[in-house]
Amino acid sequence: QVQLVESGGGVVQPGRSLRLSCAASGFTFSNYGMHWVRQAPGKGLEWVAHIWYDGSQKYYVDSVEGRFTISRDNSKNTLYLQMNSLRAEDTAVYYCARGEAAPGDVPLYFDYWGQGTLVTVSS
Amino acid sequence: SYVLTQPPSVSVAPGKTARITCGGNNIGIKRVHWYQQKPGQAPVLVVYDDSDRPSGIPERFSGSNSGNTATLTISRVEAGDEADYYCQVWYSSGDHVWVFGGGTKLTVL
Repeated sequence: QVQLVESGGGVVQPGRSLRLSCAASGFTFSNYGMHWVRQAPGKGLEWVAHIWYDGSQKYYVDSVEGRFTISRDNSKNTLYLQMNSLRAEDTAVYYCARGEAAPGDVPLYFDYWGQGTLVTVSS
Repeated sequence: SYVLTQPPSVSVAPGKTARITCGGNNIGIKRVHWYQQKPGQAPVLVVYDDSDRPSGIPERFSGSNSGNTATLTISRVEAGDEADYYCQVWYSSGDHVWVFGGGTKLTVL
């Protein structure tokens, strides 16, 4: 069965960096685009970043463009999110999610989600 | 940017039908997807491509989309359906963007 397990969250000071990981299993990771989606405490869902199945294309929400970098290692079945220059407003649970689509097609929705990892940005 | 508007809350008695709306400019030409999120849990896809259900999702969950409004309908509501529900679309304005509605809290009375 599909499993997505996030790790790397924690408490970090404003302006510092953090790297999140998402270990995937139960499917052919290299065939699927992947996303990061976040949820601030008590708030709704916000899409953060997407990476194409082969890593060739990446997209970001405006609020993290230039600060966050999504990447993947298909040999390790792992998705990453490098977060730099963190701000208080980046505090959230970060979910990795699989994008449902054939390779090369735009994944329109998220069919499997991990349980999330909490990032708290505070001094 | 593309904005999706959901009512903050909907209440329904057990056994009745709940309808959760998602408004957007000409949303009827887009594919709308719906997620259920219970407290402390990850979201779960319940409807995709306007009206299709993933395997394991009860037939009580259905969707429609036309004009400026998409609707998630939950028939014969059960206590276990109490959750937050989010609509979502993809659109492209050069870049690819995935957008969520603000979410609707479904309360089963």
